Amino acid sequence: GAVVSQHPSWVICKSGTSVKIECRSLDFQATTMFWYRQFPKQSLMLMATSNEGSKATYEQGVEKDKFLINHASLTLSTLTVTSAHPEDSSFYICSARAPGQGSTDTQYFGPGTRLTVL
Amino acid sequence: QKEVEQNSGPLSVPEGAIASLNCTYSDRVSQSFFWYRQYSGKSPELIMSIYSNGDKEDGRFTAQLNKASQYVSLLIRDSQPSDSATYLCASRGYQKVTFGTGTKLQVIP
Repeated sequence: GAVVSQHPSWVICKSGTSVKIECRSLDFQATTMFWYRQFPKQSLMLMATSNEGSKATYEQGVEKDKFLINHASLTLSTLTVTSAHPEDSSFYICSARAPGQGSTDTQYFGPGTRLTVL
Repeated sequence: QKEVEQNSGPLSVPEGAIASLNCTYSDRVSQSFFWYRQYSGKSPELIMSIYSNGDKEDGRFTAQLNKASQYVSLLIRDSQPSDSATYLCASRGYQKVTFGTGTKLQVIP
């Protein structure tokens, strides 16, 4: 299957700082990438849909100004958690939509980034 | 009603048995369905995708789709302890993929 990478795999930061997470599709071009958050023992929660060259679409309840998303190229999307607080500590996972025929395109996940805010 | 529903489990099966995981969806326009496996602390990994009614087999895994009943299932034959994980069902609607909350599978040696 297609390969999606994320960097960093884990990060620890102080409260009030900003953290940038990168998501790359390594062997395909992804016009659409997705950012999820997952708290321990809970399901994936879609935060936003990132489209190359346009503004991201945020899910209800997700603060646009706090979670900045940039999808500057067909292989790279970034999520910046601004002014992070301990309650932002979570597992952040990106996925990229690999193109297919008709409705057969498939989402592949990156390995995730574990964020801990002290 | 949730868009994609799964029993949270845990579903416990003995090693070597068949594990049957079930999922229902509410969006009739959904055309693509996926099963992902997620180990604790890891991101989801795609196991199977299915688009047409009927069965699709890949190794020990068989996905079954019944669009009339809006039902998707995953069978794991000869279950192994390494299959112990949370299995996420997902359906692709018009613009996005919706995930179920996952079923935790425990394979007992």
